[in-house]
Amino acid sequence: EPEVTQTPSHQVTQMGQEVILRCVPISNHLYFYWYRQILGQKVEFLVSFYNNEISEKSEIFDDQFSVERPDGSNFTLKIRSTKLEDSAMYFCASSETQVNEQYFGPGTRLTVT
Amino acid sequence: KQEVTQIPAALSVPEGENLVLNCSFTDSAIYNLQWFRQDPGKGLTSLLLIQSSQREQTSGRLNASLDKSSGRSTLYIAASQPGDSATYLCAVFTGNNFNKFYFGSGTKLNVKP
Repeated sequence: EPEVTQTPSHQVTQMGQEVILRCVPISNHLYFYWYRQILGQKVEFLVSFYNNEISEKSEIFDDQFSVERPDGSNFTLKIRSTKLEDSAMYFCASSETQVNEQYFGPGTRLTVT
Repeated sequence: KQEVTQIPAALSVPEGENLVLNCSFTDSAIYNLQWFRQDPGKGLTSLLLIQSSQREQTSGRLNASLDKSSGRSTLYIAASQPGDSATYLCAVFTGNNFNKFYFGSGTKLNVKP
Protein backbone atom coordinates (compact mmCIF):
# COMPACT_ATOMS: atom_id res chain seq x y z
CA GLU A 1 0.00 0.00 0.00
CA PRO A 2 1.38 3.45 -0.90
CA GLU A 3 2.59 5.50 2.04
CA VAL A 4 4.05 8.89 2.85
CA THR A 5 7.71 8.72 3.84
CA GLN A 6 9.79 11.26 5.74
CA THR A 7 13.52 11.71 6.27
CA PRO A 8 15.32 11.92 8.55
CA SER A 9 13.43 10.23 11.37
CA HIS A 10 15.38 12.30 13.90
CA GLN A 11 17.32 15.51 13.39
CA VAL A 12 19.40 17.24 16.04
CA THR A 13 20.57 20.75 15.29
CA GLN A 14 21.98 23.75 17.08
CA MET A 15 19.99 26.91 17.58
CA GLY A 16 20.37 29.26 14.64
CA GLN A 17 21.11 26.53 12.13
CA GLU A 18 19.03 25.82 9.04
CA VAL A 19 17.27 22.50 8.69
CA ILE A 20 15.45 20.88 5.80
CA LEU A 21 12.89 18.19 6.49
CA ARG A 22 12.03 15.96 3.58
CA CYS A 23 8.86 14.17 2.61
CA VAL A 24 7.84 11.95 -0.27
CA PRO A 25 4.04 12.12 -0.60
CA ILE A 26 1.96 9.40 -2.21
CA SER A 27 2.60 9.59 -5.94
CA ASN A 28 -0.85 10.48 -7.28
CA HIS A 29 -1.66 12.96 -4.53
CA LEU A 30 -1.94 16.64 -5.34
CA TYR A 31 -2.34 18.30 -1.94
CA PHE A 32 0.48 18.43 0.56
CA TYR A 33 0.64 19.54 4.17
CA TRP A 34 3.04 20.07 7.04
CA TYR A 35 2.05 19.80 10.70
CA ARG A 36 3.95 19.88 13.93
CA GLN A 37 3.36 18.39 17.35
CA ILE A 38 5.25 19.74 20.32
CA LEU A 39 5.65 17.05 22.97
CA GLY A 40 2.44 16.63 24.93
CA GLN A 41 0.50 19.13 22.82
CA LYS A 42 -1.95 19.09 19.93
CA VAL A 43 -1.03 18.46 16.34
CA GLU A 44 -0.89 21.93 14.74
CA PHE A 45 -1.41 22.84 11.10
CA LEU A 46 1.51 24.69 9.51
CA VAL A 47 0.90 24.94 5.78
CA SER A 48 -0.97 23.46 2.83
CA PHE A 49 0.44 23.35 -0.68
CA TYR A 50 -1.23 22.78 -4.03
CA ASN A 51 -0.28 23.41 -7.62
CA ASN A 52 3.21 24.53 -6.60
CA GLU A 53 2.08 27.23 -4.26
CA ILE A 54 0.99 27.70 -0.68
CA SER A 55 -2.80 27.44 -0.32
CA GLU A 56 -3.00 28.31 3.34
CA LYS A 57 -0.65 28.86 6.24
CA SER A 58 -1.07 29.22 9.96
CA GLU A 59 0.18 31.92 12.28
CA ILE A 60 3.05 29.61 13.21
CA PHE A 61 4.33 29.55 9.63
CA ASP A 62 6.30 32.79 9.71
CA ASP A 63 9.18 34.01 7.56
CA GLN A 64 11.51 31.45 9.12
CA PHE A 65 9.62 28.67 7.38
CA SER A 66 9.40 27.83 3.70
CA VAL A 67 8.16 24.90 1.66
CA GLU A 68 9.17 23.65 -1.71
CA ARG A 69 8.45 20.88 -4.14
CA PRO A 70 11.82 20.79 -5.87
CA ASP A 71 10.99 17.88 -8.15
CA GLY A 72 8.10 15.58 -8.93
CA SER A 73 8.39 13.56 -5.76
CA ASN A 74 9.84 15.48 -2.83
CA PHE A 75 8.14 18.04 -0.62
CA THR A 76 10.38 19.90 1.81
CA LEU A 77 10.02 22.11 4.85
CA LYS A 78 12.90 24.46 5.56
CA ILE A 79 13.45 26.28 8.83
CA ARG A 80 16.02 29.01 8.23
CA SER A 81 17.25 29.77 11.73
CA THR A 82 16.03 27.25 14.26
CA LYS A 83 14.95 28.22 17.76
CA LEU A 84 14.65 26.05 20.84
CA GLU A 85 10.85 26.24 20.56
CA ASP A 86 10.98 24.66 17.10
CA SER A 87 11.75 21.34 18.78
CA ALA A 88 8.81 19.12 17.86
CA MET A 89 7.67 16.22 15.74
CA TYR A 90 7.00 17.39 12.20
CA PHE A 91 4.51 15.47 10.11
CA CYS A 92 4.00 15.61 6.38
CA ALA A 93 0.67 14.58 4.88
CA SER A 94 -0.83 14.30 1.44
CA SER A 95 -4.25 13.79 -0.09
CA GLU A 96 -5.52 13.03 -3.55
CA THR A 97 -8.01 15.87 -3.57
CA GLN A 98 -9.11 18.47 -1.07
CA VAL A 99 -12.03 16.34 0.05
CA ASN A 100 -10.19 13.05 0.41
CA GLU A 101 -8.60 11.78 3.57
CA GLN A 102 -5.11 12.87 4.45
CA TYR A 103 -2.36 10.30 4.81
CA PHE A 104 0.39 11.09 7.27
CA GLY A 105 4.04 10.19 7.27
CA PRO A 106 5.80 8.76 10.35
CA GLY A 107 7.23 12.16 11.28
CA THR A 108 10.63 13.74 11.82
CA ARG A 109 11.59 14.48 15.39
CA LEU A 110 13.50 17.78 15.41
CA THR A 111 15.56 18.58 18.48
CA VAL A 112 17.09 22.05 18.68
CA THR A 113 19.84 22.42 21.29
CA LYS B 1 -10.88 30.45 15.10
CA GLN B 2 -11.93 26.81 15.10
CA GLU B 3 -11.50 25.03 18.43
CA VAL B 4 -11.69 21.24 18.60
CA THR B 5 -12.23 19.54 21.95
CA GLN B 6 -12.14 15.85 22.78
CA ILE B 7 -13.67 14.24 25.81
CA PRO B 8 -12.60 12.30 27.76
CA ALA B 9 -8.86 13.02 27.73
CA ALA B 10 -8.17 9.46 28.86
CA LEU B 11 -10.21 6.29 29.10
CA SER B 12 -9.41 2.88 30.51
CA VAL B 13 -11.77 -0.02 29.81
CA PRO B 14 -11.69 -3.81 30.06
CA GLU B 15 -11.39 -5.80 26.88
CA GLY B 16 -14.66 -6.45 25.08
CA GLU B 17 -16.39 -3.28 26.13
CA ASN B 18 -18.09 -0.98 23.62
CA LEU B 19 -17.04 2.64 23.98
CA VAL B 20 -17.69 6.11 22.63
CA LEU B 21 -15.18 8.89 22.10
CA ASN B 22 -16.44 12.43 21.71
CA CYS B 23 -15.27 15.33 19.58
CA SER B 24 -16.77 18.81 19.43
CA PHE B 25 -15.91 21.80 17.29
CA THR B 26 -16.92 25.44 17.59
CA ASP B 27 -17.36 26.43 13.94
CA SER B 28 -19.82 24.27 12.03
CA ALA B 29 -18.51 25.49 8.64
CA ILE B 30 -16.39 22.41 8.09
CA TYR B 31 -15.54 20.57 4.91
CA ASN B 32 -15.00 17.21 6.53
CA LEU B 33 -13.96 15.53 9.75
CA GLN B 34 -11.35 12.82 10.08
CA TRP B 35 -10.59 10.43 12.93
CA PHE B 36 -7.02 9.24 13.45
CA ARG B 37 -5.18 6.86 15.66
CA GLN B 38 -1.74 7.74 17.03
CA ASP B 39 0.50 5.17 18.68
CA PRO B 40 3.26 6.44 21.02
CA GLY B 41 6.11 8.05 19.10
CA LYS B 42 4.46 7.26 15.78
CA GLY B 43 2.62 9.03 13.02
CA LEU B 44 -1.11 9.30 12.52
CA THR B 45 -3.15 6.52 10.96
CA SER B 46 -6.39 7.55 9.30
CA LEU B 47 -9.41 5.65 10.58
CA LEU B 48 -12.47 7.30 9.09
CA LEU B 49 -13.32 10.37 7.05
CA ILE B 50 -16.79 11.93 7.15
CA GLN B 51 -17.72 14.56 4.61
CA SER B 52 -19.81 17.48 5.86
CA SER B 53 -22.83 16.17 3.96
CA GLN B 54 -22.63 12.73 5.60
CA ARG B 55 -24.03 11.57 8.92
CA GLU B 56 -21.83 8.55 9.58
CA GLN B 57 -19.14 6.24 8.31
CA THR B 58 -18.31 2.68 9.29
CA SER B 59 -15.18 0.61 9.03
CA GLY B 60 -15.10 -2.77 10.74
CA ARG B 61 -15.64 -2.29 14.47
CA LEU B 62 -15.52 1.50 14.12
CA ASN B 63 -18.44 3.82 13.49
CA ALA B 64 -18.13 7.58 13.34
CA SER B 65 -21.07 9.95 13.34
CA LEU B 66 -21.26 13.64 12.54
CA ASP B 67 -23.80 16.24 13.61
CA LYS B 68 -22.48 19.33 11.89
CA SER B 69 -25.15 21.70 13.12
CA SER B 70 -24.38 20.96 16.76
CA GLY B 71 -20.63 20.71 16.16
CA ARG B 72 -20.25 17.14 17.37
CA SER B 73 -18.81 13.85 16.24
CA THR B 74 -18.53 10.53 18.01
CA LEU B 75 -16.32 7.54 17.38
CA TYR B 76 -17.87 4.27 18.49
CA ILE B 77 -15.57 1.29 19.00
CA ALA B 78 -17.30 -2.05 19.35
CA ALA B 79 -15.87 -5.00 21.26
CA SER B 80 -12.65 -3.22 22.21
CA GLN B 81 -9.35 -5.12 22.13
CA PRO B 82 -5.96 -4.46 23.77
CA GLY B 83 -4.62 -3.63 20.30
CA ASP B 84 -7.00 -0.66 20.19
CA SER B 85 -4.94 1.03 22.90
CA ALA B 86 -3.69 4.31 21.40
CA THR B 87 -4.53 7.99 21.30
CA TYR B 88 -7.49 8.84 19.10
CA LEU B 89 -7.56 12.24 17.43
CA CYS B 90 -10.27 14.02 15.53
CA ALA B 91 -9.57 16.82 13.09
CA VAL B 92 -11.77 19.13 11.06
CA PHE B 93 -11.01 20.64 7.68
CA THR B 94 -12.07 24.26 7.81
CA GLY B 95 -10.94 27.82 7.18
CA ASN B 96 -11.83 30.42 4.59
CA ASN B 97 -10.76 28.16 1.75
CA PHE B 98 -11.17 24.94 3.69
CA ASN B 99 -7.44 24.50 3.66
CA LYS B 100 -6.77 24.34 7.38
CA PHE B 101 -6.95 21.24 9.50
CA TYR B 102 -7.58 21.68 13.22
CA PHE B 103 -6.90 18.83 15.63
CA GLY B 104 -8.30 18.00 19.01
CA SER B 105 -5.94 17.07 21.81
CA GLY B 106 -7.01 13.44 21.67
CA THR B 107 -8.42 10.71 23.87
CA LYS B 108 -5.84 8.28 25.22
CA LEU B 109 -7.46 4.85 25.29
CA ASN B 110 -6.19 1.92 27.31
CA VAL B 111 -7.93 -1.43 26.80
CA LYS B 112 -7.01 -3.86 29.54
CA PRO B 113 -6.79 -7.58 28.77
